[in-house]
Order: sequence, then C-alpha cells, then structure tokens
Amino acid sequence: EAEVAQSPRYKITEKSQAVAFWCDPISGHATLYWYRQILGQGPELLVQFQDESVVDDSQLPKDRFSAERLKGVDSTLKIQPAELGDSAMYLCASSHRGNNSPLHFGNGTRLTVT
Amino acid sequence: SQQGEEDPQALSIQEGENATMNCSYKTSINNLQWYRQNSGRGLVHLILIRSNEREKHSGRLRVTLDTSKKSSSLLITASRAADTASYFCATDAADSNYQLIWGAGTKLIIKP
Repeated sequence: EAEVAQSPRYKITEKSQAVAFWCDPISGHATLYWYRQILGQGPELLVQFQDESVVDDSQLPKDRFSAERLKGVDSTLKIQPAELGDSAMYLCASSHRGNNSPLHFGNGTRLTVT
Repeated sequence: SQQGEEDPQALSIQEGENATMNCSYKTSINNLQWYRQNSGRGLVHLILIRSNEREKHSGRLRVTLDTSKKSSSLLITASRAADTASYFCATDAADSNYQLIWGAGTKLIIKP
C-alpha cells in the first residue's frame, strides 16, 4: 500500500537555527496537510493545501513558519528561527479531494529544539 | 481548537476484554472519523461514519454515532496486545471547509 513519506525522521536543532521538513504524499492525493502534535495531545493543523494552493493556514505562526507545495506534489515546511516551544512531532498527511476522504499520515518528524 | 473530547483519557484492560471509548463534539458534522496512533508513529485511519449513519462495523471495531447527543463511541472487541495505542476521533464540521477537528485522544493499554 502506498505511504506518505516524511524526512527526516528525527531532528535536533539549537534554538534560533533554521529547520526544514519534507513530505511526499500518496500519488494522486490533491490535499496535503501539515500537523503539529504535542505529546499527549491531538494533532493541530498548521496548513492545508489543495493542489499547490493554501486552503487554510490560520494556525500557522507566519512570523517563523512557512510552507510550500510548488508543483502540487511534495511539500516543505520550514521553521526559522526555531524556538524551544517548537519541540513536537510534525506530521504530514494527504487525502483525495473533498470530505469523506480519510487522511493518510506519514510517520512524522520528531523535532527537538535545545 | 479542539472540538472533540475523548473519554476516558486513559484506559487499561486485560487482553481479551472489550474496550469502549467515547467522543463528544460541539457542532453539526458531515462525518466523524476514528484514528489509531502507535507510540512515535503517524495516525492510521480506522473508520469513517457519516452523519446519516448510526452504526458501522469493521472487523473487531464497532462505531456508533448519535447526532442528537453529539457523541460517538468506538468499541474494540476481544482486545489484543497489539491494540495498545492512542485513539483519536476527528470531526468534519458541516461549515469547516473540510477541516478536521481533533480530540485529545484516549490512551489504551492492553495488559497481556
């Protein structure tokens, strides 16, 4: 079964440094999501793409976070500068267009900011 | 924001017993989904129930939906050690532009 690919699996960075995460969704999935998950909590949506367009980035801290999906396929999420409070799991998910389509998640990137 | 609330927050049962988790939400929905997350991994979709459905089955899973009470339950029958995970409900609110709203999850531990 096709999977959502994410890299790196783990990332340790010092505060004020830049960090980037990459996601390759399942082929044919028009919708791509970036979530942040704090340990013991549910996922929090950061940004949602439909093809190459941002549908929702209302929870994305735009002063330090940016996301792009230039050709409507893979996507990059960047944090610059990283802060201690950014330590979390960053999950990418993809789905077919529209509601009633389940999300397929990657295994995430565990970010630790020191 | 989180509209779903899972109950209980944590559940520990013996292998072979049934496990029931509940999810409550606040607004009208198009559908409600349940996901499982093993420690340190991504979430895996289990089952989707539409707002006009009342019950759905998938293997050892049974999901019910009561839109009048704005609540859903997930029953896992004959639990196995491999069912140890966190379980999340997610609602597709009727006015949310397909955005899922997630609960904080129920942590299920199956004791061998």
